[in-house]
Amino acid sequence: NAGVTQTPKFRVLKTGQSMTLLCAQDMNHEYMYWYRQDPGMGLRLIHYSVGEGTTAKGEVPDGYNVSRLKKQNFLLGLESAAPSQTSVYFCASSSLTAFGVQYFGPGTRLTVT
Amino acid sequence: GQQVMQIPQYQHVQEGEDFTTYCNSSTTLSNIQWYKQRPGGHPVFLIQLVKSGEVKKQKRLTFQFGEAKKNSSLHITATQTTDVGTYFCAGAHYNQGGKLIFGQGTELSVKP
Repeated sequence: NAGVTQTPKFRVLKTGQSMTLLCAQDMNHEYMYWYRQDPGMGLRLIHYSVGEGTTAKGEVPDGYNVSRLKKQNFLLGLESAAPSQTSVYFCASSSLTAFGVQYFGPGTRLTVT
Repeated sequence: GQQVMQIPQYQHVQEGEDFTTYCNSSTTLSNIQWYKQRPGGHPVFLIQLVKSGEVKKQKRLTFQFGEAKKNSSLHITATQTTDVGTYFCAGAHYNQGGKLIFGQGTELSVKP
C-alpha cells in the first residue's frame, strides 16, 4: 500500500505557465482534497471531491481547477501560474466511514518566478 | 466564515519542559482532530476527539475537547527532541462532507 502519492515533488514555473499536479490514493477512499500550505497560514483547502466525477470549491479556489475522473485520482491544475501560487501543495484522502480522518501525501513544492 | 484559531504560533522549550497548544473554533464542532507535521514532512494524524469533555492520552500527550465542543488542547509532558514539529488542530463540522478547517499550527522546537 503506497497510501497517497503526489507527482511531481518539486516544480519551478514561470509566470503564466500551466501545470497539473497529480494525486493518487490506493485506499479506495471516497473523499479527496487539495490544500496549500504557506508559512503562518496553516493548511487551506483549495478544492475537494466527495466522489468520482464530483468536485467542490474550498476556501481558496481562485486560479485553480480540479478533476476527479477516476476514484483513485485527483488532479489539480494551474492554468496561468502566478507568483502568489508559490506554495507547498498537499493532497489528502479520507474514507466515508472514518469520520473525516485524512491521510496526506508527501507534498509538491511549487515555485512560480 | 468558520474559523479555527490556534495559539501560540511558536513555542521554544528546553527538553524536559511541558508544552501546550490551544485551539478555539468560532462554531460548534462535530469532532476535532490533531495532526503532527515534522520539518519537511507532511501532516500525520494523531487523534480524534468526538465527545464533549473528552480526554484522551497517548503516552506523554494529553488531548482535551471542551464541554461546548468549540475548543481543544494538546499537552505534552516532559518534551523530547523527537516531539519537534508543527502541531495542527483541525475541526470538522456537521454535514460538511468530511471537510476539515485547520488551525494555523504551533511550531514546537525543543532544545536538548
